[in-house]
Amino acid sequence: AQSVTQLDSQVPVFEEAPVELRCNYSSSVSVYLFWYVQYPNQGLQLLLKYLSGSTLVKGINGFEAEFNKSQTSFHLRKPSVHISDTAEYFCAVSDGNAGNMLTFGGGTRLMVKP
Amino acid sequence: DVKVTQSSRYLVKRTGEKVFLECVQDMDHENMFWYRQDPGLGLRLIYFSYDVKMKEKGDIPEGYSVSREKKERFSLILESASTNQTSMYLCASRERQYSYEQYFGPGTRLTVT
Repeated sequence: AQSVTQLDSQVPVFEEAPVELRCNYSSSVSVYLFWYVQYPNQGLQLLLKYLSGSTLVKGINGFEAEFNKSQTSFHLRKPSVHISDTAEYFCAVSDGNAGNMLTFGGGTRLMVKP
Repeated sequence: DVKVTQSSRYLVKRTGEKVFLECVQDMDHENMFWYRQDPGLGLRLIYFSYDVKMKEKGDIPEGYSVSREKKERFSLILESASTNQTSMYLCASRERQYSYEQYFGPGTRLTVT
C-alpha cells in the first residue's frame, strides 16, 4: 500500500517570504501525485497534479511542485506567499491501480503572518 | 460549476444515536467517496461507490455503512454513534474510475457526546 509523509505539520512564514511544503511518498512503479488545499471551513480544492511529462508542475495561485522520482518527493513551493495562502495543504498519491484511490498525507498547516 | 453539497456543516449527536450524513453532487459523476479527516492523520477513506447501488469498503469502514440509491446521492450512516467517531467528514465525487480529480464538499463536523 502507498504511504505519504508530510514532514512538517505546521509551517509559519512571514508574508512575501518563499515557502516549501515537503511531501515524500513510498515508491511504486508509477505514481500520480496531487496537492490539495483546504481553506478554513471549506472542503479540499485541487492545487496541482503530476500525471506524466515535465517534472515541474504549475498550479493555481502561483504554486508549483517538482516531482523527484529518485528521492520519491513532490515538494510544493511558492516564491512569495500572501496572507490569503493561510490554509492546510494535503499531498496525495495514486498508483493508478486498485480503483485509482488516493492516499493522503497528514497535512501541513501553512500560517502566513503579516 | 462543480458542486458537492453536504447536508449539515455542524452536527451534535449523543452516544448510541443513529446518524445520517448526506452528500449530493450535481455533476453526474459515477464515483463517490466518504472520508474522515482527523488532525495529523489527513484524510482516511471510509467507503466509496463506483455507481448506483454499488459500495466498497475503504480503509476504516468499521462502525459505518453507506447507501447509494440514486446516482447523485451518497449517504454515510453511523448505526450507533460513539465518541471516537467525533471528526470531520468529507464527501467527494469523481467522474469515473480512471479520472484523477476528486471534487470535495465543505465537510460536516460531527461531535458525539
